[in-house]
Amino acid sequence: GENVEQHPSTLSVQEGDSAVIKCTYSDSASNYFPWYKQELGKRPQLIIDIRSNVGEKKDQRIAVTLNKTAKHFSLHITETQPEDSAVYFCAAPGDSSYKLIFGSGTRLLVRP
Amino acid sequence: EAQVTQNPRYLITVTGKKLTVTCSQNMNHEYMSWYRQDPGLGLRQIYYSMNVEVTDKGDVPEGYKVSRKEKRNFPLILESPSPNQTSLYFCASRFRTVPNTEAFFGQGTRLTVV
Repeated sequence: GENVEQHPSTLSVQEGDSAVIKCTYSDSASNYFPWYKQELGKRPQLIIDIRSNVGEKKDQRIAVTLNKTAKHFSLHITETQPEDSAVYFCAAPGDSSYKLIFGSGTRLLVRP
Repeated sequence: EAQVTQNPRYLITVTGKKLTVTCSQNMNHEYMSWYRQDPGLGLRQIYYSMNVEVTDKGDVPEGYKVSRKEKRNFPLILESPSPNQTSLYFCASRFRTVPNTEAFFGQGTRLTVV
């Protein structure tokens, strides 16, 4: 079955710096890779996703890149702000397209 | 407003006392699932349901039951809770027939078993 590994588990950056979170997956047939943000005490919410027919997708300060050959995808946050502080989860499809397997999460702290 | 609603938000109970956490969605999603979130372990799937009357085990199903009698509801049942089931629980739903779509999460239920 699908296995998703996420690194690092914690990340601390200075406000204004960039943050990068990386995930690897095992199933080469996977074709959808979402990222969820979970603020303290709240539910995970989708912030960006990418499908396997593109290598990069941007939405303002957030971007996701996908390397299908190496089976890894990354979340990039530029010009980080304190409100970016949260836990971020990557995910990939499981043994069926509607099942999502989540990474173990990255706790991002943006220092003012 | 499209949403997934869980109740209760917080629950403290004693070992062995049966409890149910409710989950309801208003988006006509076929697929619903339950996760538990523990520090350093991410979101682990407990049970999922592909449609009414169709449920299956996830990665950590021991000690839990579910039912799917209606499309919108997917309750999580702990017949005899134990302290190792103390955790943060999330219900989620998404379309099964429309691929690569967003999963929506409930607000979470923080359960403490003493």
